[in-house]
Amino acid sequence: AQRVTQPEKLLSVFKGAPVELKCNYSYSGSPELFWYVQYSRQRLQLLLRHISRESIKGFTADLNKGETSFHLKKPFAQEEDSAMYYCALSGISSGSARQLTFGSGTQLTVLP
Amino acid sequence: KAGVTQTPRYLIKTRGQQVTLSCSPISGHRSVSWYQQTPGQGLQFLFEYFSETQRNKGNFPGRFSGRQFSNSRSEMNVSTLELGDSALYLCASSLVGGGGTEAFFGQGTRLTVV
Repeated sequence: AQRVTQPEKLLSVFKGAPVELKCNYSYSGSPELFWYVQYSRQRLQLLLRHISRESIKGFTADLNKGETSFHLKKPFAQEEDSAMYYCALSGISSGSARQLTFGSGTQLTVLP
Repeated sequence: KAGVTQTPRYLIKTRGQQVTLSCSPISGHRSVSWYQQTPGQGLQFLFEYFSETQRNKGNFPGRFSGRQFSNSRSEMNVSTLELGDSALYLCASSLVGGGGTEAFFGQGTRLTVV
């Protein structure tokens, strides 16, 4: 079974401070990992995926297979980063097709 | 291009009733997945349809069912509604599903069971 854990439901940081949103996963195979973001009154949307190794809106995330983690980081948080962040894993489930499984989410608030 | 459209946006139903939710994916997308979003549980996977076939199913009771039509539009049905079914139901469409390509989400249907 595949599982994604986001230990922090709420996270508050001050503008300009570094931010790290934690994500741990459980999966026996080779996972594909993603971060999705939901801004207030907007749809859930893809922020980044580990295979692209991109920095989106200043955010980066590194897959650490040894620690089974995919933490999202940004060196200097901005107020517009306030949103709900979901970590997600794509893996083979009980069937033969890949399934996208989400964590429970972390609500990030960036204080002025 | 038009995004994922979910109808209706809001629903209020009584315990014991049944409900049908609809999702129109982005044109060309063959995969539609359904999720239940609640404050405590986040997004929980219900099922995924690809080319009219259910390809994956989450751990939900049989009261939750779905189908997909030849034009890729999908419906989700919940029978014998319970208070705990109150949630935001999201659908997501993608080209191949399962996270292989980006999933695009609808705005959701807010179901309230009273």
